[in-house]
Parts: sequence; C-alpha cells; structure tokens
Amino acid sequence: DADVTQTPRNRITKTGKRIMLECSQTKGHDRMYWYRQDPGLGLRLIYYSFDVKDINKGEISDGYSVSRQAQAKFSLSLESAIPNQTALYFCATSDRTGTDTQYFGPGTRLTVL
Amino acid sequence: QKEVEQNSGPLSVPEGAIASLNCTYSDRGSQSFFWYRQYSGKSPELIMSIYSNGDKEDGRFTAQLNKASQYVSLLIRDSQPSDSATYLCAVNIKAAGNKLTFGGGTRVLVKP
Repeated sequence: DADVTQTPRNRITKTGKRIMLECSQTKGHDRMYWYRQDPGLGLRLIYYSFDVKDINKGEISDGYSVSRQAQAKFSLSLESAIPNQTALYFCATSDRTGTDTQYFGPGTRLTVL
Repeated sequence: QKEVEQNSGPLSVPEGAIASLNCTYSDRGSQSFFWYRQYSGKSPELIMSIYSNGDKEDGRFTAQLNKASQYVSLLIRDSQPSDSATYLCAVNIKAAGNKLTFGGGTRVLVKP
C-alpha cells in the first residue's frame, strides 16, 4: 500500500464550486505539505503543517484553506474554485527528526471549467 | 534572483552517455540538498540527498555539492531512455523557514 495517498486522483469542477482534496499518510511523519504544479513553474508551496496544531501559509495560499484533522490527514480546500486553479496538486510528508526529505503522494489533477 | 535555479532544458543526451545537470541556490546557510525525478504526470520521487561538500554516488547517479560556490549537480552515467524525465533540485532554505524550495526542473531526453 502507498505510504501517501491522495483523493480524488482526478477532479473536474465548475467555477465557484467548493472542493476538497484529501491526503493521508501511513509514514508516521509529523510534517505535511500541499503543493501545486503548473507547466513550466515547478512546485509551489500552498500550505504546510509541522504538527496538528501548527499550520502555515506557503507562497501561494490565496484562494485555498487547509485542515489538519489528525497527524495522518491533511486536507486542502478551494472555497470557490476558479479556472486558474487548474493544476496538478501534490501532498508531501517529512519527518521532523530531520533530514528534510519529503515524500510525495501520487497527485490530484484538478480541472476548473 | 530565484532561490533555486535550474536550466529548464531539454537536455538531450545519447543513450549510454553522461547527463550533467546543474542547480544553483541563493542561501549560503542551506544545509540539505535533494534531487527528485519526475515523469510526466507523476509525482516526484527522491533520487539522491546530499548534505556535505563533495561527491555522493548511488548506482548510476552521482550528486556533487559545492557550498562555497552554491551549486549542486547531478550526473547520470550510462544514460538510459528510462531516465528521460524532469529532474527537480530542492534545497532547504533556512531563510524560508526550513522548508524545501524547488527549482523549476531540468527536462532530460535520452535518445536511443
């Protein structure tokens, strides 16, 4: 079984809809991250959480919110989706003890029409 | 100046040759450096991590770190068509709060 899972894997939605992307991990890591990837722009950090009570904005948090329901679960919400949020979204985890190595989930391809 | 910079490529290499990828970073205090491989539409997967100056070898891959010059490189020996992918450099930028900052990636094409 995969250590980091994301649901859904693909989602098509309409402008203005609220959607939630979910991430679960069985690695026992404290730290979790949400990234988006656009062609030619690399990975950009949306939000990150170093533990259940610690949530921080990344470089592109506008239009997004997150919830860390448990150590193993970190959800990303788009309150009112817009077309320029069409992208590939990745969840990642890392261990606080600190090699900083991040392990990625399989990604969610989101299309906003 | 971007915090982590890579040439976007594509870097075209013949099968069996050495592919050489470079990455420069801006924060002299950076301590951790990573190379990820990403196939189109797939998630990044870790190839190498390096923390000290010098070379680190793992199979056909060698990572080279030079903190004085603020660059980290990746060599792929005996390149195979299956190595065709985008390679992402990631650096722990302390000024950014101990998070990884990714370069834009270098696309590598290995031609049979």
